[in-house]
Amino acid sequence: SAVISQKPSRDICQRGTSLTIQCQVDSQVTMMFWYRQQPGQSLTLIATANQGSEATYESGFVIDKFPISRPNLTFSTLTVSNMSPEDSSIYLCSAKDVFTTDTQYFGPGTRLTVL
Amino acid sequence: AQKVTQAQTEISVVEKEDVTLDCVYETRDTTYYLFWYKQPPSGELVFLIRRNSFDEQNEISGRYSWNFQKSTSSFNFTITASQVVDSAVYFCALSEAYTGGGNKLTFGTGTQLKVEL
Repeated sequence: SAVISQKPSRDICQRGTSLTIQCQVDSQVTMMFWYRQQPGQSLTLIATANQGSEATYESGFVIDKFPISRPNLTFSTLTVSNMSPEDSSIYLCSAKDVFTTDTQYFGPGTRLTVL
Repeated sequence: AQKVTQAQTEISVVEKEDVTLDCVYETRDTTYYLFWYKQPPSGELVFLIRRNSFDEQNEISGRYSWNFQKSTSSFNFTITASQVVDSAVYFCALSEAYTGGGNKLTFGTGTQLKVEL
């Protein structure tokens, strides 16, 4: 299974600022995903990070608010832009290699608090 | 549209009791995957099991067992002789299964399991 790390593990940010979250996988993977988990809630898919092309966003999420990069097969970033307190959540990165497994493995998450 | 229902919001048991977490799903796909993940207080999502829709065999792994019944669209999870370390939120998830692409996971709302001494 892939081992996934995320940085930062947690952060407290001021309203109106932006935060970039990094996700690193220990092996090359075809698919990477970003999820949001609001306090006490389930996970919601934000977007699929595609290597070499723009991310594919789910309904309700837009690129201007959550720009995503995927420069190679082991790394992705998610930026939460112009933050408000409603963005306070856990953001989780997951990865899946379609040629070796049908399972998504998750990183430890980034706990974001916006004041 | 896919949907996963975990009707039990919170379950409390005493250590060594057996506990079953329910999961009911809806999908129009004929081929799909079902998953269980564990989320301890640290927040990390830990993969527990994947089941292909064609494989209805029940599975046992140590104190964990899973009962997949396609006829009732259920994929229930039982912990035998529960321990305090089992305290966590457990998520059931569903994804379509097709070759050549990623698969979006649809999560249930989770069941908070509290195991007390």
